[in-house]
Amino acid sequence: NAGVTQTPKFQVLKTGQSMTLQCAQDMNHNSMYWYRQDPGMGLRLIYYSASEGTTDKGEVPNGYNVSRLNKREFSLRLESAAPSQTSVYFCASGQGLNTEAFFGQGTRLTVV
Amino acid sequence: GESVGLHLPTLSVQEGDNSIINCAYSNSASDYFIWYKQESGKGPQFIIDIRSNMDKRQGQRVTVLLNKTVKHLSLQIAATQPGDSAVYFCAENIDRGSRLTFGEGTQLTVNP
Repeated sequence: NAGVTQTPKFQVLKTGQSMTLQCAQDMNHNSMYWYRQDPGMGLRLIYYSASEGTTDKGEVPNGYNVSRLNKREFSLRLESAAPSQTSVYFCASGQGLNTEAFFGQGTRLTVV
Repeated sequence: GESVGLHLPTLSVQEGDNSIINCAYSNSASDYFIWYKQESGKGPQFIIDIRSNMDKRQGQRVTVLLNKTVKHLSLQIAATQPGDSAVYFCAENIDRGSRLTFGEGTQLTVNP
């Protein structure tokens, strides 16, 4: 049982490049989330998917797009990376209402 | 906007002492709260949760207290151990479970 798996673990991009962060969960969870965490700060919600087929903006959605490919997979895309998007990105999944979310190990992204 | 915040950014305790980490929240509609532990280089891990119809919940060496009157949440760790050194986040579940909002975190350091 792998839980929540994120790929890649590390990535360096040049300004303007695009990339997709992949996330998959094997717990049959309905809800999936993407967060970013900047140094010394908490996690800020970028996008979430309450169920397969739906996605909604979180606190900081600008510069990102998401796709809930199926119940297992939820990807995050940066169309034109900017230095301000240098951060650690966490994917999480959960059953939603009044249940905890389980987190992946994170993707450390640096935009130069 | 409404957010979850923490009173203290750092907390240093001696091994064997009890630790108390505090959290203030401002969304009176929140009905579910979670404490997470995040070790360096890892994703957040679930510690304990509490629903708004409860005042107290106990786990193994941890207790969460909820005071809805003053919108305050605390995490108590008994007999703190070096392995408890980490950043602790509280999170509140809003929009009927569709997303979690995190506070800024408290860095707990346990001195031998």
